[in-house]
Amino acid sequence: GDSVTQTEGQVALSEEDFLTIHCNYSASGYPALFWYVQYPGEGPQFLFRASRDKEKGSSRGFEATYDKGTTSFHLRKASVQESDSAVYYCALGERQGGRALIFGTGTTVSVSP
Amino acid sequence: ETAVFQTPNYHVTQVGNEVSFNCKQTLGHDTMYWYKQDSKKLLKIMFSYNNKQLIVNETVPRRFSPQSSDKAHLNLRIKSVEPEDSAVYLCASSKAGTSYAEQFFGPGTRLTVL
Repeated sequence: GDSVTQTEGQVALSEEDFLTIHCNYSASGYPALFWYVQYPGEGPQFLFRASRDKEKGSSRGFEATYDKGTTSFHLRKASVQESDSAVYYCALGERQGGRALIFGTGTTVSVSP
Repeated sequence: ETAVFQTPNYHVTQVGNEVSFNCKQTLGHDTMYWYKQDSKKLLKIMFSYNNKQLIVNETVPRRFSPQSSDKAHLNLRIKSVEPEDSAVYLCASSKAGTSYAEQFFGPGTRLTVL
């Protein structure tokens, strides 16, 4: 079945550091790819989506580019702030069938001042 | 701005009891979902409803059942809880019955089974 792999389980950074979270997917079709962010005590929030090869999604300084060749959708931010501390999820959505999202295992990002 | 509401925030109960969680969305969406988030933060879909019709029913134990009165409400009932049911249960909604659509999540209900 379809799946999403996030390489990093936890990332510890200082403010103004560069953030990269690796996301690779496996899907039989041509899925949409998402990033969601979850702050403590809250549900996940949609960050952005990309639905075709080479499309770049971005929001709040975060960005990721859909790469069908390498089946990747890596999240990047040039300069993190303490407020970016959260759990980040990469997710996959199938084009048809009305199925729910398939989430990666999540990456906990901790940013110290 | 909260648009997906869940009650209760927390619930502690004993093995074998029945529990019910409520979810309401005010976004006018057609599809609602229940996800389970375990202690390792893994998120797994349990159910989704589109216009009161079940469209996804993952292999969850039979003691779990979704209940919907209209497209704005989707409750979750657990008939006889087990220790492994301890988790955060997240309700979500989306505009269309396709997983291309952005999903909006509630804050979750944390269940602890003693």
